[in-house]
Amino acid sequence: GENVEQHPSTLSVQEGDSAVIKCTYSDSASNYFPWYKQELGKRPQLIIDIRSNVGEKKDQRIAVTLNKTAKHFSLHITETQPEDSAVYFCAAPLSGGYNKLIFGAGTRLAVHP
Amino acid sequence: NAGVTQTPKFRILKIGQSMTLQCTQDMNHNYMYWYRQDPGMGLKLIYYSVGAGITDKGEVPNGYNVSRSTTEDFPLRLELAAPSQTSVYFCASSYSVTTNTGELFFGEGSRLTVL
Repeated sequence: GENVEQHPSTLSVQEGDSAVIKCTYSDSASNYFPWYKQELGKRPQLIIDIRSNVGEKKDQRIAVTLNKTAKHFSLHITETQPEDSAVYFCAAPLSGGYNKLIFGAGTRLAVHP
Repeated sequence: NAGVTQTPKFRILKIGQSMTLQCTQDMNHNYMYWYRQDPGMGLKLIYYSVGAGITDKGEVPNGYNVSRSTTEDFPLRLELAAPSQTSVYFCASSYSVTTNTGELFFGEGSRLTVL
């Protein structure tokens, strides 16, 4: 069936280092790939997304890259800060379209001062 | 705007009991969703709706029912609660696919424990 696999499940970095989280998806028709951040005890919130007609998108310290041929997309966080510590989820649409998202299992990122 | 509002925030149920989780949004979004999040896990789609009167199953619909009589409201019904339904439930909404964004706006979550 359609699914989204996310790696690694946990990631520990020193403040100022970069962090990379990778997701693979199974549905080749998928065309929208968002990333959500969930702080402890809070609701998930969108931090960046990319559509299938572009290969990379940046927003300050975060960027997302997409490789449609390989069916994977990655979140890159540069110059990490302690407030980046959270769980990050990737997602992809079930059976195409922009909505009806399936989420990856999440990556717990810890940024140590 | 209040965004997406869920009630109750916490609830303890006994095995076999039934209950309804309420969700309402004031952003005039067509799409609404129910996800569950087990401890330390990702979000699993239970049901979703593309508009009033239209609902469809997600990844894990068994044991749940939904209805969408208005654009604003999307209640989730649990019948015959089981311990496996212990989870945090998130309601979310988004604009139609024809607009420029697919962002999901989540409610604060409802923590349900079945004992």
